[in-house]
Amino acid sequence: EAGVVQSPRYKIIEKKQPVAFWCNPISGHNTLYWYLQNLGQGPELLIRYENEEAVDDSQLPKDRFSAERLKGVDSTLKIQPAELGDSAVYLCASSWGTLNNEQFFGPGTRLTVL
Amino acid sequence: QKEVEQDPGPLSVPEGAIVSLNCTYSNSAFQYFMWYRQYSRKGPELLMYTYSSGNKEDGRFTAQVDKSSKYISLFIRDSQPSDSATYLCAMIPAGGTSYGKLTFGQGTILTVHP
Repeated sequence: EAGVVQSPRYKIIEKKQPVAFWCNPISGHNTLYWYLQNLGQGPELLIRYENEEAVDDSQLPKDRFSAERLKGVDSTLKIQPAELGDSAVYLCASSWGTLNNEQFFGPGTRLTVL
Repeated sequence: QKEVEQDPGPLSVPEGAIVSLNCTYSNSAFQYFMWYRQYSRKGPELLMYTYSSGNKEDGRFTAQVDKSSKYISLFIRDSQPSDSATYLCAMIPAGGTSYGKLTFGQGTILTVHP
């Protein structure tokens, strides 16, 4: 069974440029999560989708971050414009259902903003 | 103060040692407790999952939960160099506004040297 796929794995951009990350969850998983992981910290939830609906986006900085999951399968997270402080690893995870079901994580996209 | 505090480490132990990793939490709504392992440049993977006070054993790993003290631990027996990774505790509340939201500790870097 294929795991969670993320691309690109690495991205280097200059500040004020836009950037987008893509995630394809495990087949059949209806819940998709985007997390931010700063160096030396645990992941922090940015947004959670149940199918196409964003059910928790309270931690997403909406002035510069946006996300979509149009057909309830793959998802895109965008930052526009990027700031130096956005340098981090962006993790995507998926699960069947929510609450206490195991979340499976992708390898992440490591973003460096210069 | 963060909801979940984890001993930051890093820990360096010889092969065969017993390792103890610990987290404390402040939110009494947390009902589900997990330990994730994260290798360098990889996403976290679930190691242990418990939902009640007491011990749960899986091979060389034992997860311990003490809800009265709001304290959880992971013990690794006969540690191996392949156990070298970052270990993250994580918790989910069963109710409230953060229903279903996974909250991580900051992680402990473990190195097991031959």
